[in-house]
Amino acid sequence: GENVEQHPSTLSVQEGDSAVIKCTYSDSASNYFPWYKQELGKRPQLIIDIRSNVGEKKDQRIAVTLNKTAKHFSLHITETQPEDSAVYFCAASLNYGGATNKLIFGTGTLLAVQP
Amino acid sequence: IAGITQAPTSQILAAGRRMTLRCTQDMRHNAMYWYRQDLGLGLRLIHYSNTAGTTGKGEVPDGYSVSRANTDDFPLTLASAVPSQTSVYFCASKMENTNYGYTFGSGTRLTVV
Repeated sequence: GENVEQHPSTLSVQEGDSAVIKCTYSDSASNYFPWYKQELGKRPQLIIDIRSNVGEKKDQRIAVTLNKTAKHFSLHITETQPEDSAVYFCAASLNYGGATNKLIFGTGTLLAVQP
Repeated sequence: IAGITQAPTSQILAAGRRMTLRCTQDMRHNAMYWYRQDLGLGLRLIHYSNTAGTTGKGEVPDGYSVSRANTDDFPLTLASAVPSQTSVYFCASKMENTNYGYTFGSGTRLTVV
């Protein structure tokens, strides 16, 4: 089945710097790659996503890039702010047979933005 | 109800006891999912349901069962709880045949002692 690996597990940056989180996936059939932000004690919230027919997508300070050949995708946060501190999860959507699209998650990255 | 609701919010459970975690959504989403979240392991899929009347196994289904009698409800049952099932459980839903638009519940923190 699909396997998603995420690195690094923790990331500390200074306010204003950029942060990059990387994920790889194993199943070339996956075609949807969302990123979730989870604040302490709260539910995961979708922050950006990308489909396999697109190489890059941006939304203000957040961008995601996808390399289908290498089967990896990355989250880029520019001009980081303390409120960006959270756990970030990547995920890949697996399609096979008659099953609906199930998200398989990476293990998460704890991002700490130091003021 | 607005969105997706989980109950209880938290629970301490004696090992060997039976427990049902409730999940209800009012968005008429076809697909529903149960994930468990453990430190360092991310979110792992337990069971899913494409539509009412159907269920399937995820990555870590052992020790858990689900049912989907109607569109709105997707309960998760632990028949005989064990300490390794201590976790935070999230229910999620989305419209079937779309990749996007997962909505998560607020989670249930379960401690098995």
